[in-house]
Amino acid sequence: SQTIHQWPATLVQPVGSPLSLECTVEGTSNPNLYWYRQAAGRGLQLLFYSVGIGQISSEVPQNLSASRPQDRQFILSSKKLLLSDSGFYLCAYRDTRNSPLHFGNGTRLTVT
Amino acid sequence: AQRVTQPEKLLSVFKGAPVELKCNYSYSGSPELFWYVQYSRQRLQLLLRHISRESIKGFTADLNKGETSFHLKKPFAQEEDSAMYYCALVDNYGQNFVFGPGTRLSVLP
Repeated sequence: SQTIHQWPATLVQPVGSPLSLECTVEGTSNPNLYWYRQAAGRGLQLLFYSVGIGQISSEVPQNLSASRPQDRQFILSSKKLLLSDSGFYLCAYRDTRNSPLHFGNGTRLTVT
Repeated sequence: AQRVTQPEKLLSVFKGAPVELKCNYSYSGSPELFWYVQYSRQRLQLLLRHISRESIKGFTADLNKGETSFHLKKPFAQEEDSAMYYCALVDNYGQNFVFGPGTRLSVLP
């Protein structure tokens, strides 16, 4: 069966520190992978998506970057966190063109 | 560019009353529309999609291309329907998945 793992569940980081959030998918090959940020009143903001290894599409210019080093691994990074990077980050995958998105449990990031 | 709007941030109804959560979209191609739901302390999950044309938990949604709408409806709301509801659209290529800002539904006893 297919599963999606996202970690850590919560993270508190100081301003200026680096960030690495990891997401892995099991039970499928070559999925589309997505990073979203969920903010109250703004809903789900698409940050990045990837249709294959090394292929990243950025939807919103910002302090974050994404990478896909392996087929089922998607990483969200930052070299220097800003206070405004605080939020709830969701990873999701889509395994075929006709399937819906499946979400991870999310990471609550607090930048202090 | 694709865009999904949900005009109501919060919708409160009494148990047994009809519910309609509004969703409008803008997209030049033929989109695929979805409704996702997030119950308290649970992950975001699919509720229904327009190509399935099915009813889930009593909810239905019809794609109206003329009005570019995909409103979610339920004739009799239940307290367990209280949750955050997101309307979403995916482009023709099945890649760019865009969500609306969400509507919080509160069903009062």
